[in-house]
Amino acid sequence: LAKTTQPISMDSYEGQEVNITCSHNNIATNDYITWYQQFPSQGPRFIIQGYKTKVTNEVASLFIPADRKSSTLSLPRVSLSDTAVYYCLVGAGGYNKLIFGAGTRLAVHP
Amino acid sequence: GAGVSQSPSNKVTEKGKDVELRCDPISGHTALYWYRQSLGQGLEFLIYFQGNSAPDKSGLPSDRFSAERTGGSVSTLTIQRTQQEDSAVYLCASSLFSYEQYFGPGTRLTVT
Repeated sequence: LAKTTQPISMDSYEGQEVNITCSHNNIATNDYITWYQQFPSQGPRFIIQGYKTKVTNEVASLFIPADRKSSTLSLPRVSLSDTAVYYCLVGAGGYNKLIFGAGTRLAVHP
Repeated sequence: GAGVSQSPSNKVTEKGKDVELRCDPISGHTALYWYRQSLGQGLEFLIYFQGNSAPDKSGLPSDRFSAERTGGSVSTLTIQRTQQEDSAVYLCASSLFSYEQYFGPGTRLTVT
């Protein structure tokens, strides 16, 4: 699975848009990009997955440039409840185990 | 519908004792995974089941750790002769598609 690099922590305020960028320079042709969210004392939760360009769901958007060496998770108008750790994972669609890095600890302030 | 459930939610045990952790996956999910998370750390993969077989046990940290799955459903993770370094939250996940795994609430294991 490709190695990923993302900021250790970020701070934001309620109502702002938050963008978390993940670098994955050695992404393979058949790799997908997946993001998980983890609240304290809970297991991670799948947020979004993409392969190229842009993917949007009810929770977030995922932007992937043409070279796919990075991706950006965008959270619109965050609230206090978005305070969590966000993990970026890269792997082939058929991969089994998830390799979690340290993630990005997002703190949303009033 | 029901999500992944795990029991017990908390377990405190003495060093050297054996413990069993249980996972009930989402009905119909053929794949089941065990991970553990130490305090403030990321998740560490332990083992993956497809049906009742375990094609990937590469994450089990030692031979004191074992896991089984019966009937393609419930799984048990057993830790023998527990050590203090085994203290962690043990998370179970199940899935139909491997990239979208549904995690349970975890079992917090404390070895004293």
